[in-house]
Amino acid sequence: DAGITQSPRHKVTETGTPVTLRCHQTENHRYMYWYRQDPGHGLRLIHYSYGVKDTDKGEVSDGYSVSRSKTEDFLLTLESATSSQTSVYFCATSATDTQYFGPGTRLTVL
Amino acid sequence: DQQVKQNSPSLSVQEGRISILNCDYTNSMFDYFLWYKKYPAEGPTFLISISSIKDKNEDGRFTVFLNKSAKHLSLHIVPSQPGDSAVYFCAAARNEGAQKLVFGQGTRLTINP
Repeated sequence: DAGITQSPRHKVTETGTPVTLRCHQTENHRYMYWYRQDPGHGLRLIHYSYGVKDTDKGEVSDGYSVSRSKTEDFLLTLESATSSQTSVYFCATSATDTQYFGPGTRLTVL
Repeated sequence: DQQVKQNSPSLSVQEGRISILNCDYTNSMFDYFLWYKKYPAEGPTFLISISSIKDKNEDGRFTVFLNKSAKHLSLHIVPSQPGDSAVYFCAAARNEGAQKLVFGQGTRLTINP
């Protein structure tokens, strides 16, 4: 499996505050992804990156932004967190066909 | 619009028997399919995949079958073991560089001793 870490692993924040989640990989994979997992929905793609500074929107991108300044790091930012963004967030990376996932970040927005 | 559906939220199977998990999709443009296994408080772990040019792929106890005409895939686990108890997600994508996976809702598999 790809060496993927996510930080923080747990976070509780208040509505309206900015939040940044970090994904770090050690496999030099070209592609990186952010998903959220909610009951009844499986995992849904938020944003993805196909190279440094190259990103695009996924299925549920509203309220989220991303940045990738280095191959190994992919940041997900909630500019102003809302309660509907309470979820478990997973980062994934891939070189070709298969995506490998990080351990997840549980975010609670009060 | 749920493009990938797993209609069974849960499945209970006796240890040693076959587990069959099902998945349906609606988008005929999907040409790559994957199964992931997920334990609580962990990220999904890749199990097995299949390209649309095949109808079967096998890896040890795990076999995935693809029926393109029915837009249906299934995962067979034989024999089932207690460690197989987890949530299983199927996912689909168009194989075009960055893979924007579309996931089903998941099926919780419980293997009973």
